Amino acid sequence: AQKVTQAQTEISVVEKEDVTLDCVYETRDTTYYLFWYKQPPSGELVFLIRRNSFDEQNEISGRYSWNFQKSTSSFNFTITASQVVDSAVYFCALRKRRRGSEKLVFGKGTKLTVNP
Amino acid sequence: SAVISQKPSRDICQRGTSLTIQCQVDSQVTMMFWYRQQPGQSLTLIATANQGSEATYESGFVIDKFPISRPNLTFSTLTVSNMSPEDSSIYLCSVGRVEETQYFGPGTRLLVL
Repeated sequence: AQKVTQAQTEISVVEKEDVTLDCVYETRDTTYYLFWYKQPPSGELVFLIRRNSFDEQNEISGRYSWNFQKSTSSFNFTITASQVVDSAVYFCALRKRRRGSEKLVFGKGTKLTVNP
Repeated sequence: SAVISQKPSRDICQRGTSLTIQCQVDSQVTMMFWYRQQPGQSLTLIATANQGSEATYESGFVIDKFPISRPNLTFSTLTVSNMSPEDSSIYLCSVGRVEETQYFGPGTRLLVL
């Protein structure tokens, strides 16, 4: 069975602080995809990144960076110099890399509050 | 990524009634999905809707309660039938092509009194 654990339920930081959101996953599949989505207070789910299980390169996009470590089954997300607009619930998700197995398994989410 | 719209954006309904939620995409997509997000919770897949075939439901969800239509490659509906307060949730549709990222619609916020 697949499982995603986001141990941090809520995080509160002051603007310009760096913050890391943790994601640990479990799967028996050797190939899979990992995702991060952002859900602002308006409710829509915004796609941030997708990672293939065979690609362990870290990724940086502006103030966002992701650290994928297969050895520890972790896919952590860091926001550098956080801003108030980063306040949202962030979800990590896992999916098998197999035709017909498109179901996303989500973690419980981490609510990030960035205070001015 | 596709542009996805949902109607209604929110609704307040009485218990025992039904609500049909529409999901429209601006391009043809193979797969459409319906998720439920109960208050303060994560997202759970209700069913996968592929055009030309019956929807595939996840464990715990049944067609009588959540009938789904997928008449073409750009549109789907989800009906929440015989509603109870426990059905109060955000319902989100998502779309994706095989092996590709799923993108989500803005969601429908449902409150059942």
